[in-house]
Amino acid sequence: DTGVSQNPRHKITKRGQNVTFRCDPISEHNRLYWYRQTLGQGPEFLTYFQNEAQLEKSRLLSDRFSAERPKGSFSTLEIQRTEQGDSAMYLCASSSPQVSTDTQYFGPGTRLTVL
Amino acid sequence: AQSVTQPDIHITVSEGASLELRCNYSYGATPYLFWYVQSPGQGLQLLLKYFSGDTLVQGIKGFEAEFKRSQSSFNLRKPSVHWSDAAEYFCAAILTGGGNKLTFGTGTQLKVEL
Repeated sequence: DTGVSQNPRHKITKRGQNVTFRCDPISEHNRLYWYRQTLGQGPEFLTYFQNEAQLEKSRLLSDRFSAERPKGSFSTLEIQRTEQGDSAMYLCASSSPQVSTDTQYFGPGTRLTVL
Repeated sequence: AQSVTQPDIHITVSEGASLELRCNYSYGATPYLFWYVQSPGQGLQLLLKYFSGDTLVQGIKGFEAEFKRSQSSFNLRKPSVHWSDAAEYFCAAILTGGGNKLTFGTGTQLKVEL
């Protein structure tokens, strides 16, 4: 049973550049979530997909952020014109109400550093 | 506002000692409740969860948690801590019947002294 995978694990970029992260959920899970975690804090919800539909977005998700899940499988999170305040760990999770009572399982995260 | 509170930012215990990490929630209805553990630079691993029923739930690695509705609490316990338990622990909640997002506490950093 493969878990949630995320790539890359680490990303260093310069301010103003665009970055894209990928998340591959557990194969039978139809729900996929993105969270952001800054140092010393718990993860904060960004957005959530059920299959390919984006059902909820946090106010934390500014216009520079976009997430997609085009075929209901993997998802990408893009940040345009990165700012230093975007430096954080970006976590992806997946779940399935049919398989595990909608318990969310997390990937290892992508650590973003904006210089 | 709906929130999850972990009052202890840091806790230090000796190896072999018992452990209790506190978690309180503020919701109108009983939420789904979770404990996750995070090792440095890693993602979150689920320790245990409470949806309904028996208020004492067992998890992995010898952890258990007790849901107390009257105190709006879901404290995590372990009778004997091992050095490998040193990590950050997060309590989280999903509002029953609401959205599916997890709301996390700020975490408790556990240090284990040998």
